[in-house]
Amino acid sequence: AQSVTQLGSHVSVSEGALVLLRCNYSSSVPPYLFWYVQYPNQGLQLLLKYTTGATLVKGINGFEAEFKKSETSFHLTKPSAHMSDAAEYFCAVSGGSGYSTLTFGKGTMLLVSP
Amino acid sequence: EAGVVQSPRYKIIEKKQPVAFWCNPISGHNTLYWYRQNLGQGPELLIRYENEEAVDDSQLPKDRFSAERLKGVDSTLKIQPAELGDSAVYLCASSLASTYEQYFGPGTRLTVT
Repeated sequence: AQSVTQLGSHVSVSEGALVLLRCNYSSSVPPYLFWYVQYPNQGLQLLLKYTTGATLVKGINGFEAEFKKSETSFHLTKPSAHMSDAAEYFCAVSGGSGYSTLTFGKGTMLLVSP
Repeated sequence: EAGVVQSPRYKIIEKKQPVAFWCNPISGHNTLYWYRQNLGQGPELLIRYENEEAVDDSQLPKDRFSAERLKGVDSTLKIQPAELGDSAVYLCASSLASTYEQYFGPGTRLTVT
């Protein structure tokens, strides 16, 4: 069984500030980890993923995340927030069997102020 | 390349009425997923198809929900009769195969009054 906990249902930052969205996971097997972004009235778009290998993964729009096995974490960061980053972000885990069985967190809404 | 297409985008119905959602996956994608996303929650898998076969429907409430994927392409998800608690966004996703990245459609927002 696997689960995902996203700390903070809402995160507010100023434009240009660091973005940090937290994700902790639980998995009984080596996990695949994902971050998705959802803009209003749209489907989910994959930002980045960790499967195996390098623990620091880079994604689209300047986002990156680091897999830390000892902390069971996969936090999402971006050095400088843009207004266009305002959206809901979901962390997801797959039980190591590929992408087929995704378990999502509850999501974190990122608010960016000018 | 066209993405995952879903229709309708919005649907408002009264409780006890039937409703159906349609999904057209990305061409060539053999795996198709239906998710339900309640307000303030992440998506939860309802059913997964490999071609025409439903290989994981353990979370599908079978007393009122049904799904089909004829010819292994388009899929329809049906609720009959709808209940107030079925109000949610229903997302369809597809992938080349179950070991590949999932691509999501825009969803159908269902409101049951």
